Amino acid sequence: NAGVTQTPKFRVLKTGQSMTLLCAQDMNHEYMYWYRQDPGMGLRLIHYSVGEGTTAKGEVPDGYNVSRLKKQNFLLGLESAAPSQTSVYFCASSLQSYEQYFGPGTRLTVT
Amino acid sequence: LAKTTQPISMDSYEGQEVNITCSHNNIATNDYITWYQQFPSQGPRFIIQGYKTKVTNEVASLFIPADRKSSTLSLPRVSLSDTAVYYCLVGGLFGTYKYIFGTGTRLKVLA
Repeated sequence: NAGVTQTPKFRVLKTGQSMTLLCAQDMNHEYMYWYRQDPGMGLRLIHYSVGEGTTAKGEVPDGYNVSRLKKQNFLLGLESAAPSQTSVYFCASSLQSYEQYFGPGTRLTVT
Repeated sequence: LAKTTQPISMDSYEGQEVNITCSHNNIATNDYITWYQQFPSQGPRFIIQGYKTKVTNEVASLFIPADRKSSTLSLPRVSLSDTAVYYCLVGGLFGTYKYIFGTGTRLKVLA
């Protein structure tokens, strides 16, 4: 099992550009999450999904959109990147809501 | 959502037992207590979860008093590789997806 994988690992964007981060899990988990972590801070939930075709907002959803067209994939989109979105993005999945398995992270820099 | 309070940082020496206490005064009846560990440049990793009294696994023990308003993560005989940030989270197993990670406790193990 690969667990939770994230693509890409690193990315540099210019302000106003768009991009999509891909999260994939092979554990048949129902729940998937996108978090961001800024330097010296804890993780903040952006969006989450409780099953294929469903999405919901977390703590900091503004500026991001998500889609869960397939159970194993959870996509995070930035339509118009801003420097404030420079962060490390973590995807996670879980069978139940308390034990989450995290991916390795995507380090995004917006200049 | 139950708010948690943890010490910002702790130092310990190799071979010592480390206890990290988390306070969660407004924990709900259905809430569980979960601890995660995060190493630099990695996603958090689930350590242990419990509801009341004591839970032990191969990595740690979790002590929860009868009133459940606090919990203590105990790491026996720490090594340098236990240097990490430890997060305490509180929430239900079902229907609670917006876990608050907070800033965690930064544990530094010294030689």
